[in-house]
Amino acid sequence: SSELTQDPAVSVALGQTVRITCQGDSLRSYYASWYQQKPGQAPVLVVFSKNKRPSGIPDRFSGSRSGNTASLTITGAQAEDEADYYCNSRDTNGYHPRVFGPGTKVTVL
Amino acid sequence: QVQLQESGPGLVKPSQTLSLTCTVSGGSITSAGYYWSWIRQHPGKGLEWIGYISYSGSIYYNPSLRGRVTISVVTSKNQFSLNLSSVTAADTAVYYCAREDDYGDYGTFDYWGQGTLVTVPS
Repeated sequence: SSELTQDPAVSVALGQTVRITCQGDSLRSYYASWYQQKPGQAPVLVVFSKNKRPSGIPDRFSGSRSGNTASLTITGAQAEDEADYYCNSRDTNGYHPRVFGPGTKVTVL
Repeated sequence: QVQLQESGPGLVKPSQTLSLTCTVSGGSITSAGYYWSWIRQHPGKGLEWIGYISYSGSIYYNPSLRGRVTISVVTSKNQFSLNLSSVTAADTAVYYCAREDDYGDYGTFDYWGQGTLVTVPS
């Protein structure tokens, strides 16, 4: 299956922890990558593989996977973390087309 | 530092072909292990992967767009291009080019262009 599902929106109090999930059969075979997108900007990679972060991404962002579910956790959310978050993986069919989840809007209260 | 920059018309008439170019700087488009993708985002919506061309020239398209999309590369200019034919208003979107670093069991879109809005009037 090529579909990834995400909750449309979540909210978190400033300084608290929020977990965003991404579900899909392909996640049993492929790791997810996570992207943060703020209004009017291109997406930015924040977490990938088992739990890796590109240089410059704060360590409050972490990732995990269990079965067909990948998770992105923000521990101690900051106001600047308010954004849309997309998961991405590869389909298990054919030449492994890339697939994005529908995105989760994170609101920091 | 790798940089990508999209260029092309911001307005395309219905039934015509949308043509965009992505110019890559700070790295070679033929460097092993990289896939060069086009991704679009309809207004207020999520990301949709369109297709890629790899460092070795292999090409793959999103099945939902296959038949209308063509991705090509001009290695001498370090550019790759997108052609999308028979456009309608449903193709109005911000179009991004991006580099994907391939790790086998996953990939990461680690560099993106700023995006360019293409409008197809209804």
